[in-house]
Amino acid sequence: TQLLEQSPQFLSIQEGENLTVYCNSSSVFSSLQWYRQEPGEGPVLLVTVVTGGEVKKLKRLTFQFGDARKDSSLHITAAQPGDTGLYLCARGSQGNLIFGKGTKLSVKP
Amino acid sequence: ETGVTQTPRHLVMGMTNKKSLKCEQHLGHNAMYWYKQSAKKPLELMFVYNFKEQTENNSVPSRFSPECPNSSHLFLHLHTLQPEDSALYLCASSQERVAGDLHSTDTQYFGPGTRLTVL
Repeated sequence: TQLLEQSPQFLSIQEGENLTVYCNSSSVFSSLQWYRQEPGEGPVLLVTVVTGGEVKKLKRLTFQFGDARKDSSLHITAAQPGDTGLYLCARGSQGNLIFGKGTKLSVKP
Repeated sequence: ETGVTQTPRHLVMGMTNKKSLKCEQHLGHNAMYWYKQSAKKPLELMFVYNFKEQTENNSVPSRFSPECPNSSHLFLHLHTLQPEDSALYLCASSQERVAGDLHSTDTQYFGPGTRLTVL
């Protein structure tokens, strides 16, 4: 199947902590996108990773695409309350986006 | 502000009502999408329009009827819905329909969604 498994489902941490969330698939995918959805809003694209082993940084966010292109991770350094939201990964499939269920992150001040 | 607006933001309707959701994009894009987001399920693609033509109907029940009068506007007409249809309905647009693998320039811009409750 082309399902994307995201873990953990829920994560509640204190401001200043580091965290990593994961997106895994049993099949190889050629590229992957990460989105963040804040409460009451639609998802917003954070990054697209296209090369196995690729690492991209967006301020305190670090995205990694696994060498085997079956997994990806998002690491947040020194989390802030503004990072609170639902983090979704998505892959392209036959012209459409297939999304994981997401990781719901809550960062408490 | 993503350039995609949706109205209404909240809607409560009975099972016998008829209502419509509206989406408008101000980005000059040619592809528009309807998604359903339910609790505990991934975002589900419902319909895709590319250059005003419907290119995807993801086995959606006929009680949901999309309409795309032009590249900037997308509607979702609702009638005789069921309580299990309660969800967040999201509209998105992109330059064109994403074809094959994703590339860095392939971005879907989402609206804020309509929170639908069916009683």
